[in-house]
Amino acid sequence: EPEVTQTPSHQVTQMGQEVILRCVPISNHLYFYWYRQILGQKVEFLVSFYNNEISEKSEIFDDQFSVERPDGSNFTLKIRSTKLEDSAMYFCASSLTSGRTYEQYFGPGTRLTVT
Amino acid sequence: GQSLEQPSEVTAVEGAIVQINCTYQTSGFYGLSWYQQHDGGAPTFLSYNALDGLEETGRFSSFLSRSDSYGYLLLQELQMKDSASYFCAVRDNQGGKLIFGQGTELSVKP
Repeated sequence: EPEVTQTPSHQVTQMGQEVILRCVPISNHLYFYWYRQILGQKVEFLVSFYNNEISEKSEIFDDQFSVERPDGSNFTLKIRSTKLEDSAMYFCASSLTSGRTYEQYFGPGTRLTVT
Repeated sequence: GQSLEQPSEVTAVEGAIVQINCTYQTSGFYGLSWYQQHDGGAPTFLSYNALDGLEETGRFSSFLSRSDSYGYLLLQELQMKDSASYFCAVRDNQGGKLIFGQGTELSVKP
């Protein structure tokens, strides 16, 4: 069964450093998302991406964040200058459609720890 | 603002039936999804209701009433492996963004 993959599984970085989180969505999917989950809290939407551009972003997704689909398979989230409060689990998700039979497939996540 | 309310935890015994409720208040509504999460792992899709009524998938069923801004997830014939967190999530626009509730931790006891 096809699945979303994410690398690395765990990233430790120092405050102020740049990090890039990588995702490989399911190959025929068209819509891509990043979410984050601070430990013990709910999953929060960061950004959605369709047709090679951002379609929506949340208040969390400020100028320090960017997304890119550099080739036909990878989807990346970059945080330019990490802060302590960026420590969270980051999930990538993809979906085939945004239609009625709607289902987002989530990757296993990258645990980001900012020290 | 946008908010989804669901109980923080529920406990039930193996073989029983449990219902997890979700009420929502969002600026838009295109559908209600349910996701299961084990120990902080990947949320796994369980169901999606865009229209009123009951959707059944094996032991899991989900219900939606748009007029009441309310839905529930029904788990039947509970098994130990059903112990997990369950999140309701509203899709509030055509783009697909999901707004998640705080999650309900289900503990299934022998």
